[in-house]
Amino acid sequence: DAGITQSPRYKITETGRQVTLMCHQTWSHSYMFWYRQDLGHGLRLIYYSAAADITDKGEVPDGYVVSRSKTENFPLTLESATRSQTSVYFCASTPDEGRDQPQHFGDGTRLSIL
Amino acid sequence: TQLLEQSPQFLSIQEGENLTVYCNSSSVFSSLQWYRQEPGEGPVLLVTVVTGGEVKKLKRLTFQFGDARKDSSLHITAAQPGDTGLYLCAGEGTSYGKLTFGQGTILTVHP
Repeated sequence: DAGITQSPRYKITETGRQVTLMCHQTWSHSYMFWYRQDLGHGLRLIYYSAAADITDKGEVPDGYVVSRSKTENFPLTLESATRSQTSVYFCASTPDEGRDQPQHFGDGTRLSIL
Repeated sequence: TQLLEQSPQFLSIQEGENLTVYCNSSSVFSSLQWYRQEPGEGPVLLVTVVTGGEVKKLKRLTFQFGDARKDSSLHITAAQPGDTGLYLCAGEGTSYGKLTFGQGTILTVHP
């Protein structure tokens, strides 16, 4: 089915470990985004990508790394996880069809760092 | 950095009551989007307002974009338990495709 898929849905890991969250979309949308959602903060942008091999920092990029070798995939890596990175992470995509396009979100990954 | 202040953060009301959620900024946005999010799911777009002063209606929901394109509101008439959820406003500013989100409003409508 067409859409945007995140995996895993749930992840528990320990501080200092590396963890990668996956995001895959089937629409061939140009733009992809990673957000974290914490109570009282809404959605905060971590990184975004305008196309394959083009990425840029968002509001809260520290401690995260992204790559985009293919249009459909946009993995997010926490190189050395910290407790403050416990959060719900959402991936989103939007087409390059002019301004004011909606973003389409995955169902999120709930990450707990012990 | 563009900021969107959304209020209230929590809203608990009885079925049949009316409510308004506000989204305010000191920055101008090219458009304002409203999303609704259910538990365990990602946000889903409700509406996009683009023109200053624009009003859009979606059944019992009325969305307004301020004349100066710095603020927006969501009004729900005769709320129902099915309206329960997290409502998020998001503005597209100077950076193409990037959205700035408000903090969200958790709405609970009691039967």
